[in-house]
Amino acid sequence: AQKVTQAQTEISVVEKEDVTLDCVYETRDTTYYLFWYKQPPSGELVFLIRRNSFDEQNEISGRYSWNFQKSTSSFNFTITASQVVDSAVYFCALSDTDKLIFGTGTRLQVFP
Amino acid sequence: NAGVTQTPKFRILKIGQSMTLQCTQDMNHNYMYWYRQDPGMGLKLIYYSVGAGITDKGEVPNGYNVSRSTTEDFPLRLELAAPSQTSVYFCASSWAGEYNEQFFGPGTRLTVL
Repeated sequence: AQKVTQAQTEISVVEKEDVTLDCVYETRDTTYYLFWYKQPPSGELVFLIRRNSFDEQNEISGRYSWNFQKSTSSFNFTITASQVVDSAVYFCALSDTDKLIFGTGTRLQVFP
Repeated sequence: NAGVTQTPKFRILKIGQSMTLQCTQDMNHNYMYWYRQDPGMGLKLIYYSVGAGITDKGEVPNGYNVSRSTTEDFPLRLELAAPSQTSVYFCASSWAGEYNEQFFGPGTRLTVL
C-alpha cells in the first residue's frame, strides 16, 4: 500500500541552524513521484519540489536541498542556515493512482 | 491567471444546515480534489475528479457530495452539517493527476456550531 511517514511531528531550531526534515515512503509502483509542500502560518499550501523515481540526483535550490535515496525509500529535505520565515508545516507526498498521498507533516519552528 | 479560487473564505453553520463550498480553476486542469485539514493535522482527501462528469471517493467522503459538470468547477456540498465537519477545506487541481504537482486554493474555514 502507498504510505508516507513523517516521523518528526515538530522541530524547533534557532536561526542559522541547519535542519533536515525526514520523509520515508512505501510504494508498490516502480515509477512514482515525490513532492514537498510548505504551509506557512498564513495557511496556504505552496509547492516546493517534484522528483520522479528515475532521478536520484540531489536537488539544491538556494538554502533548500533534497536528498532522494531509493535504497532507503527516503526523500529528505534540508534547510541550510534556517530563517524565521522558514517556520511552517512541511508536507511530503507520494503519487498514487490519480492522486497524491500526503504525510502528516512536520511543524518547523525557527526562533530568532 | 487566478489559479484556484474558493468561496467563501469563512463560514459558520448551525448543526443540520447545508451549504456548498465553491471551487473554480482557470488552468484547464483535468484533475481536481477536495481536502479537509483539521486543526494541527494533515490533509485528508474527501473527493476527487479526473475530469468533467467523473468523481470518486477519497479517504473521508461521508457527509459530503460533489459534482463536476464543467472542467473549471468542482463544488463540495455539505448536507446536514455536524460539529465533526468543523475544519479548513482546501480545493486543489493538477494537470495530470499523480504525475504533476497540485495547485491549492486559499481554503475555506468552516465552523459548525
